[in-house]
Amino acid sequence: SQQGEEDPQALSIQEGENATMNCSYKTSINNLQWYRQNSGRGLVHLILIRSNEREKHSGRLRVTLDTSKKSSSLLITASRAADTASYFCATDVSISGNTPLVFGKGTRLSVIA
Amino acid sequence: DTGVSQDPRHKITKRGQNVTFRCDPISEHNRLYWYRQTLGQGPEFLTYFQNEAQLEKSRLLSDRFSAERPKGSFSTLEIQRTEQGDSAMYLCASSNDRVSVNQPQHFGDGTRLSIL
Repeated sequence: SQQGEEDPQALSIQEGENATMNCSYKTSINNLQWYRQNSGRGLVHLILIRSNEREKHSGRLRVTLDTSKKSSSLLITASRAADTASYFCATDVSISGNTPLVFGKGTRLSVIA
Repeated sequence: DTGVSQDPRHKITKRGQNVTFRCDPISEHNRLYWYRQTLGQGPEFLTYFQNEAQLEKSRLLSDRFSAERPKGSFSTLEIQRTEQGDSAMYLCASSNDRVSVNQPQHFGDGTRLSIL
């Protein structure tokens, strides 16, 4: 079963706009991770946020985590056509960490040049 | 760091045949994971290893599926008597838990299995 639910399922924006994707999950977590997947390819790790962190930045990416609401958001600023991909949130629910991730269904982002 | 590699990239076979996939993780990574992904869905966990020990198997892993990591390096995933429902992308990932408890997983490009 999939723990995470991304919202929206699909998002289409113009190049230069910001894209926000949300993720909700059901159980307590050790960390939450965001991945990108281009069509027909594997997943690329974007950012990991631990359960005791609230916000994290990496380049044009900003991730927030609200453990009280069991939700996270991924913001991509100044989007580019190359950002077109599916984005997944994944949770590590174990205390010990480094265990299999539980993925959501993903958000398909289309950035139009 | 040459990344995680999977072979083959694509496999087309007839129903009832056996197939085997190979995954070569990043060399210093001791944890190796197998996931399955169907169209429009996120990856679902199948099984994972720490070194050569298989630590957990998902209920998705029926008795037709077997995975090995004999020397704690590469891993194979075999599906016997394939069925239509086995058609999916099979993804392998690796991580190094010796660094910390919060490590990202590094994925290969997957093996896409099509059952005729």
